[in-house]
Amino acid sequence: QKEVEQDPGPLSVPEGAIVSLNCTYSNSAFQYFMWYRQYSRKGPELLMYTYSSGNKEDGRFTAQVDKSSKYISLFIRDSQPSDSATYLCAMIRGSNYKLTFGKGTLLTVNP
Amino acid sequence: GAGVSQSPSNKVTEKGKDVELRCDPISGHTALYWYRQSLGQGLEFLIYFQGNSAPDKSGLPSDRFSAERTGGSVSTLTIQRTQQEDSAVYLCASSTGQGATEQFFGPGTRLTVL
Repeated sequence: QKEVEQDPGPLSVPEGAIVSLNCTYSNSAFQYFMWYRQYSRKGPELLMYTYSSGNKEDGRFTAQVDKSSKYISLFIRDSQPSDSATYLCAMIRGSNYKLTFGKGTLLTVNP
Repeated sequence: GAGVSQSPSNKVTEKGKDVELRCDPISGHTALYWYRQSLGQGLEFLIYFQGNSAPDKSGLPSDRFSAERTGGSVSTLTIQRTQQEDSAVYLCASSTGQGATEQFFGPGTRLTVL
């Protein structure tokens, strides 16, 4: 079993839809949880970063962490065609540690 | 300000040749990471530098892979006797290293081994 599992999709939604992206993990040592967005042929770009269980909101994006279930989510409200990208969840034990990534979910938002 | 830069952006080589990939981290970032992204395996850690030393090399797949960092800045990843399975995008990331967990990625080097 991989440490981090993420459904690769692809996921295709109409513009304006609410998108839900999820990851599960098995290692209780993970303390920090990130979502990266990666456009085609570009490097990953940090989107959201959370520590501990709970919600964090940034504009149209909400990240949720449930440590008891080892489950994290990213919600995108009012999705736009410019949100079309691969979304990668990533986790880390602490500073100066490696990131462990999910395989990424390819999202397409259709105008 | 400038982000992480990597060169070359693309590299095509023949099986058995050596290649060098370069990473320039964000100025002042003491921590530097190399990752590899391939279709089948996703994004995988290779090596981590703090300053010029590498306390974690656990992700290097074989002894054909090596990396160094000089002056606490530029890093070079070297792959000797390249194999077709080395074809992937090699990504570099940096962070401040001062209790920071956020890593900032460069655009990557796309390596194709023929």
